[in-house]
Amino acid sequence: AQTVTQSQPEMSVQEAETVTLSCTYDTSESNYYLFWYKQPPSRQMILVIRQEAYKQQNATENRFSVNFQKAAKSFSLKISDSQLGDTAMYFCALFNTNAGKSTFGDGTTLTVKP
Amino acid sequence: ETGVTQSPTHLIKTRGQQVTLRCSSQSGHNTVSWYQQALGQGPQFIFQYYREEENGRGNFPPRFSGLQFPNYSSELNVNALELDDSALYLCASSLLFREGTDTQYFGPGTRLTVL
Repeated sequence: AQTVTQSQPEMSVQEAETVTLSCTYDTSESNYYLFWYKQPPSRQMILVIRQEAYKQQNATENRFSVNFQKAAKSFSLKISDSQLGDTAMYFCALFNTNAGKSTFGDGTTLTVKP
Repeated sequence: ETGVTQSPTHLIKTRGQQVTLRCSSQSGHNTVSWYQQALGQGPQFIFQYYREEENGRGNFPPRFSGLQFPNYSSELNVNALELDDSALYLCASSLLFREGTDTQYFGPGTRLTVL
């Protein structure tokens, strides 16, 4: 079985500041992918960033970066220079390549305050 | 927005009825996954179809079934609807290959209400 846990149901940050969202996971597989998705109030899920488990280098996408600690099974998302448009629910997800199965966490609601 | 579309946008059914939801995948993608998202929760994986075959399945009963067509579009069918089936149903398309997977791109979802 694979699990994804997001321990912060809600977070808030001031505009222009930095915030880190936590995610831990568990899987017995060696071939998997990790993702952060953003779901704004309009509801369409949008990819923020992805990480291949076999890559040691942490992924970065503009203001978004991850801290991937494979041994600790931790995959946190850092948002720098937060913007009002970053307000959304953020989901951490694991894709098991061998089983063709995805598991999502329960999400963290992030509010960016002006 | 992604190239993934879903229909209908909203749907109201009564308990015991059957429903079919549709998903048109993004051009070039060969895989469609379906998710159920209850209000305030993360998406729950229903199943994935790869080149018209079921490639993986979550913990959903057999009354949840699917199809993928040669053009890689997909249907989700739910029989004998229950009140707990009320949720947002999301589909996501991706390009799956032997070495791994490309990113999933989600559609806007279908909101199903069972009365």
